[in-house]
Amino acid sequence: KQEVTQIPAALSVPEGENLVLNCSFTDSAIYNLQWFRQDPGKGLTSLLLIQSSQREQTSGRLNASLDKSSGRSTLYIAASQPGDSATYLCAAYLMDSNYQLIWGAGTKLIIKP
Amino acid sequence: GAVVSQHPSWVICKSGTSVKIECRSLDFQATTMFWYRQFPKQSLMLMATSNEGSKATYEQGVEKDKFLINHASLTLSTLTVTSAHPEDSSFYICSARGTSGRSDTQYFGPGTRLTVL
Repeated sequence: KQEVTQIPAALSVPEGENLVLNCSFTDSAIYNLQWFRQDPGKGLTSLLLIQSSQREQTSGRLNASLDKSSGRSTLYIAASQPGDSATYLCAAYLMDSNYQLIWGAGTKLIIKP
Repeated sequence: GAVVSQHPSWVICKSGTSVKIECRSLDFQATTMFWYRQFPKQSLMLMATSNEGSKATYEQGVEKDKFLINHASLTLSTLTVTSAHPEDSSFYICSARGTSGRSDTQYFGPGTRLTVL
């Protein structure tokens, strides 16, 4: 059974620092992996989608990597800003007919001004 | 492209009443829709998967008679919480997978916050 784990559960860093959020999955037979951002009381914002054939994706100050063999994905945030404060969720797509998602519990990120 | 809407965005109802939440794919046809619920400070929990024109597949522990899902068209799925109780208060999020754009990913609605008094 696929399980997705995110460590740490919470992270607080000063503004301007670079940081890495971790996501691990137990079964390397995933299809794609996606990182989302969720602000308190709000819906999901898709940040980056890494296809199974890719190793990384970049968007602005965000870079996500995927290593299927080790069962790990990381989200790198450069030059963090207070507006980056949110909960970050990673989710792995199963190779089933519906491309079902398996979710991590999220990392709550606080960027201190 | 690939926009999913939900209505209402929030709803407050009395215990015992039924509430219907709509999920629409605005610019693509959604062959599969997913319904999730999220409790405070927790991740998303998949409730059910529905393919257009067929009965929904519910996850273990989700009462199909309480959470009625209808996916009658390729652009609309509804979740009806029947005889709602305070423990049903939660954030409900739908997602859709379609035939245009990327068919191997899910596109998410903005969520509906349900509060049952």
